[in-house]
Amino acid sequence: QKEVEQNSGPLSVPEGAIASLNCTYSDRVSQSFFWYRQYSGKSPELIMSIYSNGDKEDGRFTAQLNKASQYVSLLIRDSQPSDSATYLCAVGYSSASKIIFGSGTRLSIRP
Amino acid sequence: EAEVAQSPRYKITEKSQAVAFWCDPISGHATLYWYRQILGQGPELLVQFQDESVVDDSQLPKDRFSAERLKGVDSTLKIQPAELGDSAMYLCASSTGTSFHTDTQYFGPGTRLTVL
Repeated sequence: QKEVEQNSGPLSVPEGAIASLNCTYSDRVSQSFFWYRQYSGKSPELIMSIYSNGDKEDGRFTAQLNKASQYVSLLIRDSQPSDSATYLCAVGYSSASKIIFGSGTRLSIRP
Repeated sequence: EAEVAQSPRYKITEKSQAVAFWCDPISGHATLYWYRQILGQGPELLVQFQDESVVDDSQLPKDRFSAERLKGVDSTLKIQPAELGDSAMYLCASSTGTSFHTDTQYFGPGTRLTVL
């Protein structure tokens, strides 16, 4: 079982709609969760971090964490073409004292 | 805004040659990471430094890869000899070093390596 799992996509969403990206993880005691955006050929850039159960909002982005279900998601409201990128989920494993990245979900916003 | 610096941005080499990558982390960041990212995959940790000490190099192919951070600031990653399968993006990241599994990591622009 992969430690951090994401659907590779591509996920195609019409412009203006809500894009929903999902991530599951295997270590129940994980404490930190990150979403990075990566444009093709570029390096990852941090969008949001979340540490507690519930929702965290930042502009058009909302991160949702459910530790009981070992599930973290990222919602992007009013999707724009500039949101087309690969979104990487990263999870901090206290047992390994490291952050582990998923393989990413490719998101495409169609006009 | 402080950034992680990397050079070169692109490197093309022939197999069996030696290559070296350089990284300068955000000032004051104690932890430095080297990742390898193959197209279509997530970043894979190669080596992690806390100041000048190696914290984790379990995934570093030590027969051909080496990394150092002699003064606890900038770092060099070397591959000798390069193989075709080493073609990838090599990313450097840094963090404050307060907690390895909760610190936010900030990435440099990466070095795209192509081995012919």
